[in-house]
Amino acid sequence: DSGVTQTPKHLITATGQRVTLRCSPRSGDLSVYWYQQSLDQGLQFLIQYYNGEERAKGNILERFSAQQFPDLHSELNLSSLELGDSALYFCASSVVSGGLTGELFFGEGSRLTVL
Amino acid sequence: GESVGLHLPTLSVQEGDNSIINCAYSNSASDYFIWYKQESGKGPQFIIDIRSNMDKRQGQRVTVLLNKTVKHLSLQIAATQPGDSAVYFCAETPNTGNQFYFGTGTSLTVIP
Repeated sequence: DSGVTQTPKHLITATGQRVTLRCSPRSGDLSVYWYQQSLDQGLQFLIQYYNGEERAKGNILERFSAQQFPDLHSELNLSSLELGDSALYFCASSVVSGGLTGELFFGEGSRLTVL
Repeated sequence: GESVGLHLPTLSVQEGDNSIINCAYSNSASDYFIWYKQESGKGPQFIIDIRSNMDKRQGQRVTVLLNKTVKHLSLQIAATQPGDSAVYFCAETPNTGNQFYFGTGTSLTVIP
């Protein structure tokens, strides 16, 4: 158990819909990352938050948005869903100490299926 | 953008043999490197890490080698076991950005 909690584990929805994925980082970790993993693909970095503020943005579509709340949990919002958005979405958290990034701890992922 | 790639998408080894998984990265400013193991249906799990001020680091049955000259990273698994079967990813970060970039992954299959 990594200590990172993601909900829901599975989600099936239709094209054009909107979903919200939720992540609770490990206790004490201020940094949250979102990654997308499509079938047989690597992990594509979407976005990173640190202590409530956006720190870095990767290949995140404009239809997607995220935020980190004061209690440090994070949500990834996916809207106007397309078939190609079907993927595993991982949340990870890490501690940043002395300016150095520590290892990422991953949740078990949310599997999104768009029909 | 960042480019982290793996030389081989699949690798099969006999149980008990040593495994070597390779990874190339393109950002010379990369400061911190991690190897992750991902089993089917699970999130990636940390295996071992190395910072750019080192060229070798050993863990339990695993060794990571870093060659900054050619921007190459390798993971060596000693006495590979069936439980080592998984997809292995390398990840790197130019620490200043704190964002990690992952390679495509190498699927390791251990043959009993």
